[in-house]
Amino acid sequence: QQPVQSPQAVILREGEDAVINCSSSKALYSVHWYRQKHGEAPVFLMILLKGGEQKGHDKISASFNEKKQQSSLYLTASQLSYSGTYFCGTVNNDMRFGAGTRLTVKP
Amino acid sequence: EAGVAQSPRYKIIEKRQSVAFWCNPISGHATLYWYQQILGQGPKLLIQFQNNGVVDDSQLPKDRFSAERLKGVDSTLKIQPAKLEDSAVYLCASSLLGPSGNTIYFGEGSWLTVV
Repeated sequence: QQPVQSPQAVILREGEDAVINCSSSKALYSVHWYRQKHGEAPVFLMILLKGGEQKGHDKISASFNEKKQQSSLYLTASQLSYSGTYFCGTVNNDMRFGAGTRLTVKP
Repeated sequence: EAGVAQSPRYKIIEKRQSVAFWCNPISGHATLYWYQQILGQGPKLLIQFQNNGVVDDSQLPKDRFSAERLKGVDSTLKIQPAKLEDSAVYLCASSLLGPSGNTIYFGEGSWLTVV
C-alpha cells in the first residue's frame, strides 16, 4: 500500500518554510525521505526509525510518529537548491513510495 | 565508492519487442531493488532481492516482466513483450541489508520509451 503525501505541490519564495506530510495505513518500521530533481535519480535525505525520533541536517528536518503512522518533513528558510520533488518511502516489509510533493522555490 | 551502475541509459523500442536492463549494485550490498517510475509518479517497487533470493515481487507483472540476480551481485530486468504503458524510467537501487534501517542508493535509471 502506497503512503499518501500532502500537499501535491507547493511554491515558496526563498527564505520561506514548508512542511510535507506522509501517512500510511500500515504499521511502519521506518520512513525514508528523498529528493528528486528532474531527470535525475532520487537522492537520500534521511531515515527515521521507530521511536518517534526527529532528525535533521542543515535546515531540513523530519519527524516520525509511529503510532499515527505519519511522518513530516520540515524545510526551513528554503533555498533555491531545495526545488525538486520530495518522496517519502515507508517501510513495512518492503519500501513503498508516495506520489511525491513538487516543491518550487522562487527568488 | 562507486555508485549503482545501470545500462543502457536510454532505450526506444516498438511495442511487442523485448528489452533488458542491467544493474550492478554498490559492492557489498546484499539487497537490490528494481523500481518503475512513470513520469509524474513516485517509484513503484517491482522486485526486491536479498542476495540471490526474491523477497518481494508482488507488483511485478509476471506475464511480461522477469528479473534475476543469479550470483547475488548484478541483476537483469527483462520485459517481453513490451507494451506502450511500460514507458518509464527503470530505477535500480541497493542497500547494505534490508530497507528498514539502511540507506537505499539509486542508480541514474534506464529510460524506456515504447512506441
